[in-house]
Amino acid sequence: GEDVEQSLFLSVREGDSSVINCTYTDSSSTYLYWYKQEPGAGLQLLTYIFSNMDMKQDQRLTVLLNKKDKHLSLRIADTQTGDSAIYFCAERDDKIIFGKGTRLHILP
Amino acid sequence: DGGITQSPKYLFRKEGQNVTLSCEQNLNHDAMYWYRQDPGQGLRLIYYSQIVNDFQKGDIAEGYSVSREKKESFPLTVTSAQKNPTAFYLCASSMGQGSTYEQYFGPGTRLTVT
Repeated sequence: GEDVEQSLFLSVREGDSSVINCTYTDSSSTYLYWYKQEPGAGLQLLTYIFSNMDMKQDQRLTVLLNKKDKHLSLRIADTQTGDSAIYFCAERDDKIIFGKGTRLHILP
Repeated sequence: DGGITQSPKYLFRKEGQNVTLSCEQNLNHDAMYWYRQDPGQGLRLIYYSQIVNDFQKGDIAEGYSVSREKKESFPLTVTSAQKNPTAFYLCASSMGQGSTYEQYFGPGTRLTVT
């Protein structure tokens, strides 16, 4: 069945770049999303990429899509303490499938 | 301000009691969703509704019920039949069900059943 895989934890020093990776199985996915969840809160849509694109940049965020390998990544430049959260990758064809989330921890 | 509200933020119940979680949106969205989130788990879909007076089961509907009498409201009832009800519940909405429509989430309700 459809599945989305992410590593569960990532630690990054403040000021460095964070790269969160995701793999998915459904080759017919039309949209791929990155959501951010701060403690005790709902999910906030950060960015998305259409499946016919290979890169999208939005301020400090860069999304890279390798459709051949079904690999999606989110790069956060100049990581700050406010970026500490859980990041969910999600794919969508007829329904949306979420990964388990990557908890990003910022080291001082 | 447009958005999705869920109330209450924290809810405590005794085992064996039914409990209803509220979800309201003023975004004029047609589709609404309920997800369950457990620690270290992704989001799992409980129920969704594409239009008023219609809803479909998601992946883990057993022990839950919903209604969609108004476009802006999609309450979720956690029944006593749900074996492990303690979790964080998230409501979401989107303009439509199709893949071009992104989902917007409410702040969540943390339910604890003892």
